[in-house]
Amino acid sequence: NAGVTQTPKFQVLKTGQSMTLQCAQDMNHEYMSWYRQDPGMGLRLIHYSVGAGITDQGEVPNGYNVSRSTTEDFPLRLLSAAPSQTSVYFCASSPTTLGDTQYFGPGTRLTVL
Amino acid sequence: GDSVTQMEGPVTLSEEAFLTINCTYTATGYPSLFWYVQYPGEGLQLLLKATKADDKGSNKGFEATYRKETTSFHLEKGSVQVSDSAVYFCAFCMDSNYQLIWGAGTKLIIKP
Repeated sequence: NAGVTQTPKFQVLKTGQSMTLQCAQDMNHEYMSWYRQDPGMGLRLIHYSVGAGITDQGEVPNGYNVSRSTTEDFPLRLLSAAPSQTSVYFCASSPTTLGDTQYFGPGTRLTVL
Repeated sequence: GDSVTQMEGPVTLSEEAFLTINCTYTATGYPSLFWYVQYPGEGLQLLLKATKADDKGSNKGFEATYRKETTSFHLEKGSVQVSDSAVYFCAFCMDSNYQLIWGAGTKLIIKP
């Protein structure tokens, strides 16, 4: 069972470059979220989706875009990378609500030079 | 505002030692409480949860009791193993439609 998959696992970007982090889940979950994890801090919610075609901002949305064209996929786009976006990014899905059990992908470690 | 405070790590123990990782929360009302674990190189996974006061969540030998009076949800295990080495996150949500509020995580190192 694949669960939540993320690609790539590692990425290095230069300041100003753009890229898309991919996330897919095969559990037919309606809720999907993107988090960033920084040293000494808890996970912070970037964007989330409550179903195909519906997205909303989380705690730290600036510099990121998302879309949800299908139930399975929830890509995260960095529009113009900045060193402050160096972080580990996790995608998660949930069968019911944001506050329910989250199923996480393995993460993408992003470094912006 | 709403927040979670976890004991700072790393916490280093010998195999078979007793483990406690403290977690307290600040919130208005009575949230649902969670412990997630992140093994090296992996994403987070739910370890246990409790949804109302005095509930005890348990899994894989770990336990945590929802203490409304002290707004705490401390994680305990009677005898840790090397395989328990991981980062442990405490989290809560006030309402199932709201996002989770996360602690900073506590790294646990178990030495053989």
